Amino acid sequence: AQSVTQLGSHVSVSEGALVLLRCNYSSSVPPYLFWYVQYPNQGLQLLLKYTSAATLVKGINGFEAEFKKSETSFHLTKPSAHMRDAAEYFCAVSEGRDNYQLIWGAGTKLIIKP
Amino acid sequence: GAGVSQTPSNKVTEKGKYVELRCDPISGHTALYWYRQSLGQGPEFLIYFQGTGAADDSGLPNDRFFAVRPEGSVSTLKIQRTERGDSAVYLCASSSGPGWGELFFGEGSRLTVL
Repeated sequence: AQSVTQLGSHVSVSEGALVLLRCNYSSSVPPYLFWYVQYPNQGLQLLLKYTSAATLVKGINGFEAEFKKSETSFHLTKPSAHMRDAAEYFCAVSEGRDNYQLIWGAGTKLIIKP
Repeated sequence: GAGVSQTPSNKVTEKGKYVELRCDPISGHTALYWYRQSLGQGPEFLIYFQGTGAADDSGLPNDRFFAVRPEGSVSTLKIQRTERGDSAVYLCASSSGPGWGELFFGEGSRLTVL
């Protein structure tokens, strides 16, 4: 069965510092992987997705994620954090393009310190 | 409207009561999804509609939960004989087709059962 593990329910970084949010998955087939972001009082929004093309995926707002099959990881990074990045981030996996069921991690709340 | 709209945004009810939650998807989106998000967890799949029909309702927790989408647009999630354990944020999402993973979410309906 698929599962997603996000390490750290809360991550705190200083403004301007590197952001690293971890996501590990388990899947019996090559997965499709997603990061969604939820800003306060807003709905979930797609940040980026991996669909078996380039392993380094660039998303909105300067975020990117790298698919590492050997590590079953899809960690999210941003070189320099901004206050506006404060939000909750969710990693999700589906088993292929035609599988509509996403399996979600528990989320990581990113806190930006001034 | 431009995005997915969910009403009510907040609903407080008493144990045993009946509740309806409404979702108005993005115009033209054929796929509609309901998820439930409990505190500290990621979204949990409930049901998926393709057009008017429920293509997969395997995530509905029991027969107290039911959802309809009679005209292939607006959907209503219905919960009978509510229990305290039903308290959660109910998320609706739509997409232009199944399996794309690019779900567009509403802000959710927060249900509190006293």
